Amino acid sequence: KAGVTQTPRYLIKTRGQQVTLSCSPISGHRSVSWYQQTPGQGLQFLFEYFSETQRNKGNFPGRFSGRQFSNSRSEMNVSTLELGDSALYLCASSRGQNEKLFFGSGTQLSVL
Amino acid sequence: GQNIDQPTEMTATEGAIVQINCTYQTSGFNGLFWYQQHAGEAPTFLSYNVLDGLEEKGRFSSFLSRSKGYSYLLLKELQMKDSASYLCAVRDRNNNAGNMLTFGGGTRLMVKP
Repeated sequence: KAGVTQTPRYLIKTRGQQVTLSCSPISGHRSVSWYQQTPGQGLQFLFEYFSETQRNKGNFPGRFSGRQFSNSRSEMNVSTLELGDSALYLCASSRGQNEKLFFGSGTQLSVL
Repeated sequence: GQNIDQPTEMTATEGAIVQINCTYQTSGFNGLFWYQQHAGEAPTFLSYNVLDGLEEKGRFSSFLSRSKGYSYLLLKELQMKDSASYLCAVRDRNNNAGNMLTFGGGTRLMVKP
């Protein structure tokens, strides 16, 4: 059974640009969550999608957004990139609420 | 809100046993996770505790006491490859919490020969 797949693995952007990251959950998993990991702040929750609906959102500015498709695949978008957005972005999938979460390998975003 | 504390760093010897503690404060508890993360890689699921007691899985065990807001991860027969960061995360019970996890800062474990 394939794990959580995230693309691309690495990304380099410049300030002001926008970026879209993709996540394909484990087959049969309907919940997809996104996290940002930085050396200073650790892992922080961005948002969660379940059945194409955003179920919860973390404390991030509106530049961070996401969506989920009918096949449970999810994308997150960051607009008007800032240097501080450089981080490892991790996607986690789960069958549903109150289930175990499994992480993908992440997308390492560098903003120059 | 939630607050999760775990030691920043620990060092242990190959073949030994190490216990990594995690204390938490939450308005509504709905499960505690332990993940292992090697440098530059994604967190790997180790254990999930929702009820009090000890869960054993091979060389790794995890313990939970909800009344004390306390958990530990026990690693036996340490191997060099166990050198990694160990992340404690708590899920909240609030209606809208879904699968939102709050993570501790992680414990960096160094295993020495």
